[in-house]
Amino acid sequence: GAVVSQHPSWVICKSGTSVKIECRSLDFQATTMFWYRQFPKQSLMLMATSNEGSKATYEQGVEKDKFLINHASLTLSTLTVTSAHPEDSSFYICSETTSYNEQFFGPGTRLTVL
Amino acid sequence: KNQVEQSPQSLIILEGKNCTLQCNYTVSPFSNLRWYKQDTGRGPVSLTIMTFSENTKSNGRYTATLDADTKQSSLHITASQLSDSASYICVVSAPGGSYIPTFGRGTSLIVHP
Repeated sequence: GAVVSQHPSWVICKSGTSVKIECRSLDFQATTMFWYRQFPKQSLMLMATSNEGSKATYEQGVEKDKFLINHASLTLSTLTVTSAHPEDSSFYICSETTSYNEQFFGPGTRLTVL
Repeated sequence: KNQVEQSPQSLIILEGKNCTLQCNYTVSPFSNLRWYKQDTGRGPVSLTIMTFSENTKSNGRYTATLDADTKQSSLHITASQLSDSASYICVVSAPGGSYIPTFGRGTSLIVHP
C-alpha cells in the first residue's frame, strides 16, 4: 500500500507561534490529500481537502486563515497552524487517496500549545 | 445525511477470545467500506477494504463481512492478542471524484491478559 509520512511527529510550541506540519506521499503522486484533526477519544474530523495546484477546500467551521494548507507538489502538502492557541492542541493526521479510492493515513503529528 | 454508526463504543475481552465489531451505514450510493485499526497516538492503518460486490475479506486474524443490502458490516477478530488493543474505525465512501469518506466514531477494544 501507499506510504505517507508526516513531520514532525510531535511538536510543543508557545501560544501565538505558528507551526508547520508536512505530509509527504512517499511512493505515489497524490493529487488529493486530506487533513484531519483528532481530539482524545474522538473520531477523526475532516478539516480540509488539499488539491495539488489549487486552493484547499475547508470544512464548515474550520478557519482557512488559521489553518493554511499548501499543496505545491504531488508529493507534499503542508498544514500551518498560525497563531496557535492551547485549544489547537490536537492530533493532526493527513491522508492520501489512490485512484482506486483507497485511503492511506500518515502517522500523525501531536501538537501541544502551551 | 450520510452516517456510519459503530457498536459497541467500547469492548473489553480476555486474550485469546474472539470478538465482533459492528458497523451500520446509510451512505448511498456506496463505493467501498474500509476497516482501520488505530493505535493510540498513531494514524489509522488499513485492515480491509470491500467493494459492493464483496461479502467477506480476511486479513490474518481479521475477517470483515459486508451486507450491502442491509448496509451492515462486521469485523471479526479471532484469537485476540494484547496488541489488538486499539480503536477500530469503519469508513464508508461514496463513488465519484469528490470522494469524501464518512467515518464511524470507532470501537475501542481493550484486550486483557
